[in-house]
Amino acid sequence: DIEMTQSPDSLAVSLGERATINCKSSRSVLSSSNNNNYLAWYQQKPGQPPKLLFYWASTREFGVPDRFSGSGSGTDFTLTISSLQAEDVAVYYCQQYYRTPFTFGPGTKVQIK
Amino acid sequence: EVQLLESGGALVQPGGSLRLSCEASGFTFSNYAMIWVRQAPGKGLEWVSAISGSGDTTYYADSVKGRFTISRDNSKNTLYLQMNSLRAEDTAVYYCAKDGVLVVVAATQGWGYFDHWGQGALVTVSS
Repeated sequence: DIEMTQSPDSLAVSLGERATINCKSSRSVLSSSNNNNYLAWYQQKPGQPPKLLFYWASTREFGVPDRFSGSGSGTDFTLTISSLQAEDVAVYYCQQYYRTPFTFGPGTKVQIK
Repeated sequence: EVQLLESGGALVQPGGSLRLSCEASGFTFSNYAMIWVRQAPGKGLEWVSAISGSGDTTYYADSVKGRFTISRDNSKNTLYLQMNSLRAEDTAVYYCAKDGVLVVVAATQGWGYFDHWGQGALVTVSS
């Protein structure tokens, strides 16, 4: 199985400041056949189901604000919130879909400082 | 508008069985793989099972293999999860979700990210 790790476990950022979340996979999730990274990011607010933010590592889902960006390739990925807003308080998960079982990272909790 | 509505969550004794349902609307159900993901209280997300659009291919996490069965009825736009031999560690909110890739595209491009989720069904395994 591909293991996903995330860092930090939690972070507190001032409103308007940048938040950066890292995700690492235990093996590459980059396909040599199509050059796609099989990596997604989700946001989960308390009491709600997860919401898809990015797929193919950097393709923003429709309706996701452009202050969110996804980057990285191979085994190392980053989710960046360029200017944190109050509504961004949530837990963020990365997920690989390169191989079943499709595994999630443990999550990173983002709070306001 | 895509909607996924889970039902069937309940309190069940260890060793018992339960069947979850997920009724889908707002999209052509058979054109997409579907999955179940669970979340234990206060914990992260765990992928449980997936099924192809036609229903002929299924996948399971090791933690549920041999105990859970995923299925779908495309004529009823409904996804199911039959859970047998339930354990305390199966206690969780169970979400159904829709794959983000059309099956005809998934065959070459791949699949496995989930663009719509239900609100979840709570399964509690306790005596």
